[in-house]
This record gives sequence, structure tokens and C-alpha cells, in this order.
Amino acid sequence: GENVEQHPSTLSVQEGDSAVIKCTYSDSASNYFPWYKQELGKRPQLIIDIRSNVGEKKDQRIAVTLNKTAKHFSLHITETQPEDSAVYFCAASTFRGNAGGTSYGKLTFGQGTILTVHP
Amino acid sequence: DTEVTQTPKHLVMGMTNKKSLKCEQHMGHRAMYWYKQKAKKPPELMFVYSYEKLSINESVPSRFSPECPNSSLLNLHLHALQPEDSALYLCASSQVQGVTYEQYFGPGTRLTVT
Repeated sequence: GENVEQHPSTLSVQEGDSAVIKCTYSDSASNYFPWYKQELGKRPQLIIDIRSNVGEKKDQRIAVTLNKTAKHFSLHITETQPEDSAVYFCAASTFRGNAGGTSYGKLTFGQGTILTVHP
Repeated sequence: DTEVTQTPKHLVMGMTNKKSLKCEQHMGHRAMYWYKQKAKKPPELMFVYSYEKLSINESVPSRFSPECPNSSLLNLHLHALQPEDSALYLCASSQVQGVTYEQYFGPGTRLTVT
């Protein structure tokens, strides 16, 4: 099965600095890579995602890059703010579908990164 | 409406109790998921339903029994749980569109087994 490694486990930055979180995956069949942000006591929320046919995607201060050959993808947050403090999870997913009509994406998560942004 | 709802928000139950968790979505998603999450750990997949049929059971103990009565509802029936089953139980749903199948998570049920 898929295995996702995420580093670092904790990351502390000053407000305004950039933060980078890296993940590697093992299954070359994985084709969808979401990033979730989870604040304390709240649900995981999708912040950005990338498909395997795209190398980079950006949304304001957040960007994700994907290297399919090396099987790794990274989250980049620029101009960090205290409200960016949370646990960030990367995930890799493979579409499962068959002629019987079942279809779903099975997410395998990394272990998470606790990001702390100091004012 | 891009929301997944879960009830109850909190649940405390004894090891001999029977209780149920409920999840609902009205986004027309045909895949629904149950995850278990321990503190500071990633969500762990428990079950996947696709078109109201059980597609994945990740070797979950039989004291957890899922049910998908229709395309909008997902239940998790609990019986004879152990204290180590205390966790946040998250429901999610997704639709396959192209090759993106974003999973929308509910707020979770915080379960404490005493």
C-alpha cells in the first residue's frame, strides 16, 4: 500500500518568514495530492491540492510543487501569519473505480507538521 | 452547500453501552468515509462507502458497525467499546470529478469511552 513520509514534524518560524513542508510517497499510481490544515479541535480543511499532471500550483500565499519522478511534493507558505499556526497534513490519493460502479479516493496521510508562527 | 454535518459533537459512553454516530451531506457525493483520529496524529481510514455499498473495511474491530442508509447519510454504530477507542471520529464525503476527489470533512464527534 501507499506510504507517505512528512517532514519536519515541527516547524517554528517568525511572522513574515516562509515555511516549507515536504512529503514523499511510495506508490507511483498516486495521482492526487491534497494538503490539509487542522486547527486545534477543528476539522481538517483542504487548503490546496495538486494533480499528478501538474508540477506547481499557487493560491495567494500558498503553493504546492510536485516532482513525480522523485515522488515528492512540498507545501510552501510565504509571509506567514500567526493564524497560519496549525497542524498541516499532506496526503496522497489514488482513484479506485471499477465497472461495478464503486468509485472513491483513498487518502493516505503523512504524520503531520505542527507549524508555529511567532508574532 | 459544501458542508458535512456530524452528530453528536461529544459523546461519553461506558464500555457496555450502544450508541450511534451520524453523518450527513447534501452535496450529492456518492462516496462517504469514516476516519478515526487520535490527538496530534493523522486521520486513520476506517470505512469507505461508495454508492451506498461498503467498499473498504480497514480491518476495523466488529464493535464498530457502519451503515449507509442512503446517499446522504452515514452512521457508525458503536457497541462494547474499549477506552482506547476514545478519539475524534471524522466523517468525510467526496465525488469523483476527473481525477480530483476532494474529501470534505465534517467537524467530528469527540468520543470518550469510560
